[in-house]
Amino acid sequence: GAGVSQSPSNKVTEKGKDVELRCDPISGHTALYWYRQRLGQGLEFLIYFQGNSAPDKSGLPSDRFSAERTGESVSTLTIQRTQQEDSAVYLCASSSDRVPGNTIYFGEGSWLTVV
Amino acid sequence: AQSVTQLGSHVSVSEGALVLLRCNYSSSVPPYLFWYVQYPNQGLQLLLKYTTGATLVKGINGFEAEFKKSETSFHLTKPSAHMSDAAEYFCAVKYGGAQKLVFGQGTRLTINP
Repeated sequence: GAGVSQSPSNKVTEKGKDVELRCDPISGHTALYWYRQRLGQGLEFLIYFQGNSAPDKSGLPSDRFSAERTGESVSTLTIQRTQQEDSAVYLCASSSDRVPGNTIYFGEGSWLTVV
Repeated sequence: AQSVTQLGSHVSVSEGALVLLRCNYSSSVPPYLFWYVQYPNQGLQLLLKYTTGATLVKGINGFEAEFKKSETSFHLTKPSAHMSDAAEYFCAVKYGGAQKLVFGQGTRLTINP
């Protein structure tokens, strides 16, 4: 597609439930990122995928968070046993290759509210 | 540790006035530097970036930024603010071969009529 696509755009879930957030990167982009943005705060790195290399999971805040990506396509971020502090916008981004200065393009985000 | 500092979480200027948003980074290797803008309820949009070459970088919407290695800074400027510039601005940096983009905390820009 023309840009990074994320779904759902909004999700309200009850505390303790699991949620899945989906990201469709720009076609041909080998790198995919997930960030979290809490209300009024900056962006917090979660995880990075580059092609078939092992993902950089250094930003995942707890073992309740996990993400998968098959090849260079769709990625799913899963949050198990959601807590209220998980409420945030989850932003997905992609870029074209291993060139460090390449622009990272962001999706509109998935707004998660845990009640 | 790698870090990005944006001085001032809120900046307010009058329409037509100079916009200056400050960004400093910590790095022992040459960085790649970015400014992103986030309009209300939208995703992030790239304003400009510095990778190599000319240290004064021009971006969209009349914004520009200058990479100053001696000051480890990448401040964002615009000569004349417009009401449509009201948004959240994020400075970000990547180091060497690392692909992770590290963001500052953001600066909310308000334009007064």
